[in-house]
Amino acid sequence: SQQGEEDPQALSIQEGENATMNCSYKTSINNLQWYRQNSGRGLVHLILIRSNEREKHSGRLRVTLDTSKKSSSLLITASRAADTASYFCATVPNAGGTSYGKLTFGQGTILTVHP
Amino acid sequence: DTAVSQTPKYLVTQMGNDKSIKCEQNLGHDTMYWYKQDSKKFLKIMFSYNNKELIINETVPNRFSPKSPDKAHLNLHINSLELGDSAVYFCASSQDRIGYTFGSGTRLTVV
Repeated sequence: SQQGEEDPQALSIQEGENATMNCSYKTSINNLQWYRQNSGRGLVHLILIRSNEREKHSGRLRVTLDTSKKSSSLLITASRAADTASYFCATVPNAGGTSYGKLTFGQGTILTVHP
Repeated sequence: DTAVSQTPKYLVTQMGNDKSIKCEQNLGHDTMYWYKQDSKKFLKIMFSYNNKELIINETVPNRFSPKSPDKAHLNLHINSLELGDSAVYFCASSQDRIGYTFGSGTRLTVV
């Protein structure tokens, strides 16, 4: 079953604006990761936040994690046209055994940044 | 050097054929995966191997058979291809559930 759900499904903004995407999940996690996928391309790892962390920064990216609400957000500040892509959250469960290392993806948010 | 490389990049084949997709990683990771991305861009895990041992096998038709000759390689063989198998297949590798690296994908089209 799908672990993460993201909203919005699509986001359209102007260059320079901030973009916020949200992700919710259902079970206990070891960590949560955000990925970007440009049209017709592979997935690029953006940032990882562990279950005991609340906020993480990487360049123009800021990720928050609220384990009590089982939710995360990705903020891209001062967006650029080159940020246009699909963004996915993915969770890694705390479980071992047959779930070890299993990345479960959300549905993704399609971000369009207009120049 | 490409960290996770998969071949071919594109594969167009007729229904009923058997085909293979190959994946190699040079990162020294101990776990490799196959993911399927459907036409709605939904990504779902299919298989995972840790040090050549199968550890994740989601509900996938048994026409799909992964093979890991060593921990740097994970191939996917598909028998009797069906129209519904058309998708983009991604190989990935990771170490300790942290550093996941994805290949660039194989776009499979079954006609």
